[in-house]
Amino acid sequence: DIQMTQSPSFLSASVGDRVTITCRASQTIRTYLNWYRQKPGEAPTLLIYGASSLQAGVPSRFSGSGSGADFTLTISSLQPEDFATYYCQQSYSLPFTFGPGTKVDIK
Amino acid sequence: QLQLQESGPGLVKPSETLALTCTVSGGSINNNNYFWGWVRQPPGEGLEWIGTIHYKGSTHYNPSLKSRVTISLDTSKNQFSLKLSSVTAADTGVYFCVRRVVVPGAIADSFDSWGQGTLVTVSS
Repeated sequence: DIQMTQSPSFLSASVGDRVTITCRASQTIRTYLNWYRQKPGEAPTLLIYGASSLQAGVPSRFSGSGSGADFTLTISSLQPEDFATYYCQQSYSLPFTFGPGTKVDIK
Repeated sequence: QLQLQESGPGLVKPSETLALTCTVSGGSINNNNYFWGWVRQPPGEGLEWIGTIHYKGSTHYNPSLKSRVTISLDTSKNQFSLKLSSVTAADTGVYFCVRRVVVPGAIADSFDSWGQGTLVTVSS
């Protein structure tokens, strides 16, 4: 199985801050990397697919980059609804695996 | 707009079989670009992919659960189902039904739609 790691596990930030979350795969996954946001008590929602493609309806403050084994999710200006947990997920090979999550909290 | 809705018992006894159904509305499960499946989340923990099925019949399961999992489709009802046998407390969590979109020739293989999730507790 491909192992996914994320850093940091937790971060505190303020509204308007620029936030960067990193995801690393245990082997190359090309650009088969997706990002999800999960608000408390809700289901995850897809933000970014294919490492850098913005899902329809997702605000442009979200962006993704990377290829191979190292990836980044950036939120250019944090909004109140962005205080949530973020997960990366690889779709390069079965079984699909998720990172452990990064919780973004209010400073 | 596509909607997925999970249904099934919220409490299952140890050693019994967990059975959930996902009803899809606003779209057909008979689409070549989509797989339908399940992801679960233990309380306070991360996400685990369980498995997916295509309307033409192909299934993929997480090897960690493969011996206990069955995912099936009912195209006449636009539903798909999960059965997980011999459950233990470790199977307690929120179960999400999901749509997996696969676009041939593109780097697009993701879970683009999720149900709201249903909590299943394994306890006697």
